[in-house]
Amino acid sequence: AQSVTQPDIHITVSEGASLELRCNYSYGATPYLFWYVQSPGQGLQLLLKYFSGDTLVQGIKGFEAEFKRSQSSFNLRKPSVHWSDAAEYFCAVAPQPMEYGNKLVFGAGTILRVKS
Amino acid sequence: NAGVTQTPKFQVLKTGQSMTLQCAQDMNHEYMSWYRQDPGMGLRLIHYSVGAGITDQGEVPNGYNVSRSTTEDFPLRLLSAAPSQTSVYFCASSYGGGPSDTQYFGPGTRLTVL
Repeated sequence: AQSVTQPDIHITVSEGASLELRCNYSYGATPYLFWYVQSPGQGLQLLLKYFSGDTLVQGIKGFEAEFKRSQSSFNLRKPSVHWSDAAEYFCAVAPQPMEYGNKLVFGAGTILRVKS
Repeated sequence: NAGVTQTPKFQVLKTGQSMTLQCAQDMNHEYMSWYRQDPGMGLRLIHYSVGAGITDQGEVPNGYNVSRSTTEDFPLRLLSAAPSQTSVYFCASSYGGGPSDTQYFGPGTRLTVL
């Protein structure tokens, strides 16, 4: 069965520092890959997604993610973190070809704290 | 355009009680789904619907019922609540069920079952 691992439950970074959130997946073929962000008390918002092609994907809010097939990873990065980036981040996968059910499998999430 | 709305925001139930979590979207989306979010487990799919009159089970359907009589609404019913159903519930919708269809999430319902 496919699974998603986010090894870091909490990460704290200083404002202005760079950020990398890790995501590893387990699946026989390359799945569709997603990163979502959840601000406190809010629903989830899609940051970016990877289906095929260029392995470096640009998203909203200055985030990017790099797909590495050899490492089964899809890590999220941001060069300079802002205090408003404090939130919980979820990596998610879906099989290719994607079933019509759009069944996303989510990781457990990483809580990002930003210190000033 | 309100997007995806969920009611109530908070709910406390006693074991054995029933209730319905409401979800509505005004984007004319065909695909809707329900997830539950538990600490350390991310979101897990409960049920989903690819259009009015069509529903199917997700990863954790036991204890929950759904129906889709209109495109806009997708209620989730707990017939006999159990403490294991204490969770935060999210409804999501997208134009279609394919990978290019971004899912939009509601703000969630926090449910506690005593």
